Amino acid sequence: DAGVIQSPRHEVTEMGQEVTLRCKPISGHDYLFWYRQTMMRGLELLIYFNNNVPIDDSGMPEDRFSAKMPNASFSTLKIQPSEPRDSAVYFCASSATQGGGYEQYFGPGTRLTVT
Amino acid sequence: QKEVEQNSGPLSVPEGAIASLNCTYSDRGSQSFFWYRQYSGKSPELIMFIYSNGDKEDGRFTAQLNKASQYVSLLIRDSQPSDSATYLCAVNPPGSNYKLTFGKGTLLTVNP
Repeated sequence: DAGVIQSPRHEVTEMGQEVTLRCKPISGHDYLFWYRQTMMRGLELLIYFNNNVPIDDSGMPEDRFSAKMPNASFSTLKIQPSEPRDSAVYFCASSATQGGGYEQYFGPGTRLTVT
Repeated sequence: QKEVEQNSGPLSVPEGAIASLNCTYSDRGSQSFFWYRQYSGKSPELIMFIYSNGDKEDGRFTAQLNKASQYVSLLIRDSQPSDSATYLCAVNPPGSNYKLTFGKGTLLTVNP
């Protein structure tokens, strides 16, 4: 079975540019999570969706960040404009909550560098 | 404030020894607990989850949960160099829907 798929795996961009990260969750999973990981702050939840609907975006750092999930198999996280402090690894994770499970499965991540 | 605390390490153990990783959490009503392994440059990988007090064993891994003490641990028996990684503890606090709160992880090094 295919796991969570993320693209691109690496992104290097200049400050002020728009960055779009993409995620395809595991088929049949009804929850999708976007995380950011840095050495200083660890793994932070940015936003999560249930059945394509955003449930909690309280972790989104500021208005420069936005996320969408137009259908059950695709989500995007957009940063516009990007800043050097956005440099981090961004993970997408999904889970299937039927049966009460809370286990989340992570994609390979996108390493973002903003210069 | 919901917090998950882990010793950042590094925890260094010789090959073949038992590695013990610990995690405490602040929200007493938490019900679900997870251990993830993260190799350097890779994504977190789920290795164990536990919902009930006591021990849960899976191969060389044992998760231990004590809700009264708000404490969850992971034991790795017969540690191998391939177990060297950062281990993240995650908790699902009550009222948080399906969100997980992660600790910052413990770096484990198994020396040959």
